Amino acid sequence: NAGVMQNPRHLVRRRGQEARLRCSPMKGHSHVYWYRQLPEEGLKFMVYLQKENIIDESGMPKERFSAEFPKEGPSILRIQQVVRGDSAAYFCASSIGGANTEAFFGQGTRLTVV
Amino acid sequence: AQRVTQPEKLLSVFKGAPVELKCNYSYSGSPELFWYVQYSRQRLQLLLRHISRESIKGFTADLNKGETSFHLKKPFAQEEDSAMYYCALRGNNNDMRFGAGTRLTVKP
Repeated sequence: NAGVMQNPRHLVRRRGQEARLRCSPMKGHSHVYWYRQLPEEGLKFMVYLQKENIIDESGMPKERFSAEFPKEGPSILRIQQVVRGDSAAYFCASSIGGANTEAFFGQGTRLTVV
Repeated sequence: AQRVTQPEKLLSVFKGAPVELKCNYSYSGSPELFWYVQYSRQRLQLLLRHISRESIKGFTADLNKGETSFHLKKPFAQEEDSAMYYCALRGNNNDMRFGAGTRLTVKP
């Protein structure tokens, strides 16, 4: 089991472009979480998804940000019309769900907006 | 709403000294609490969970429902404990929230 895979590891975008961040959960995991980590700050919850469903998106900015976790394929975090303030490390975690199950993290995608 | 608070952004101790990383939470239901650790250049990983009542790498954490706390403790810190530590809470709907993290530095 390769663990949670995020790609790309580093992504550079110009202001106004779109950024697509991918997360392949561990095999058998149907729960995916996205977090944002700003420099010198902790992990801020963005969105929690299960297969084909958004369970909680209370941490997502209302505009420009969207997330999906289709039946087939990775989870995608999409940021449209990026701005400099979107520069951060974005982490994905997956779990099998259920009581006391561990969330496994990917290595993150570092987005830089120039 | 569930919330996790780690009041200390930075904590520095000398090798061999006791260390306590504070974590307080607010949640109306029965929470599941975890400590995660991120060593330099590694991914975030689980350190321990409250339900297991285990000691991992000499660390323990006790859930205190009266004080709504889940502080992480180690009696004798080691240099290799230097890392970023995150307290996390999972609610009944499987939502996982993390605190802002505490960067622990253990000086020789």
